[in-house]
Amino acid sequence: EVQLVESGGGLIHPGGSLRLSCAASGFSVSIHYMNWVRQAPGKGLEWVSVIYSGDTTYYADSVKGRFAISRDTSKNTVYLHMNSLRADDTAVYYCARGWGIFDHWGQGARVTVSS
Amino acid sequence: IVLTQSPGTLSLSPGERATLSCRASQTVSNDYLAWYRQNPGQAPRLLIDGASNRATGIPDRISGSGSGTDFTLTISRLEPEDFAVYYCQQYVTSPWTFGQGTKVEIK
Repeated sequence: EVQLVESGGGLIHPGGSLRLSCAASGFSVSIHYMNWVRQAPGKGLEWVSVIYSGDTTYYADSVKGRFAISRDTSKNTVYLHMNSLRADDTAVYYCARGWGIFDHWGQGARVTVSS
Repeated sequence: IVLTQSPGTLSLSPGERATLSCRASQTVSNDYLAWYRQNPGQAPRLLIDGASNRATGIPDRISGSGSGTDFTLTISRLEPEDFAVYYCQQYVTSPWTFGQGTKVEIK
């Protein structure tokens, strides 16, 4: 059974850094496209980043230069390194599998950026 | 590509038919359009990809149609789990984008 479990969320001050983790089971992150999608409180969905073969990565303009996606195939885990956090980064961050079509999602990690 | 969903809210009774619309600002080539359902407090779930292909485990009372710039999600008979927020999403070009959502609520 495919499972994605996010962790690492919390309350962080503006300008701070945080690392989210997404532990996968039931498949290998080394051969699948892995994404982060976020949802601000009461708002819709926003795609954030993807990583795939050869560690190729893409980012939404809103996070480019501040966020970095990576993966550790030995731990079957994907990460989102978030720097220079702003209030508008406050959201639930979901890990999702797929290239464009997100067929499996984690339960989400809540990130709150506030002083 | 900007996706605009309508209506914003749909108030219906269980057993009724729901029709949700998603309009794109430019052609969604190859029908690279997906639909997701998000129940309160839960992660989104994939319903439809390729505009009309049901995902694994999705019942046939849920169907997708359309092409070009106009797409529709139809739920023929609303069940309790169908009262949720629905999002369309294009995956033609990065950044992949979502519509703002349509909420289907109990009348």
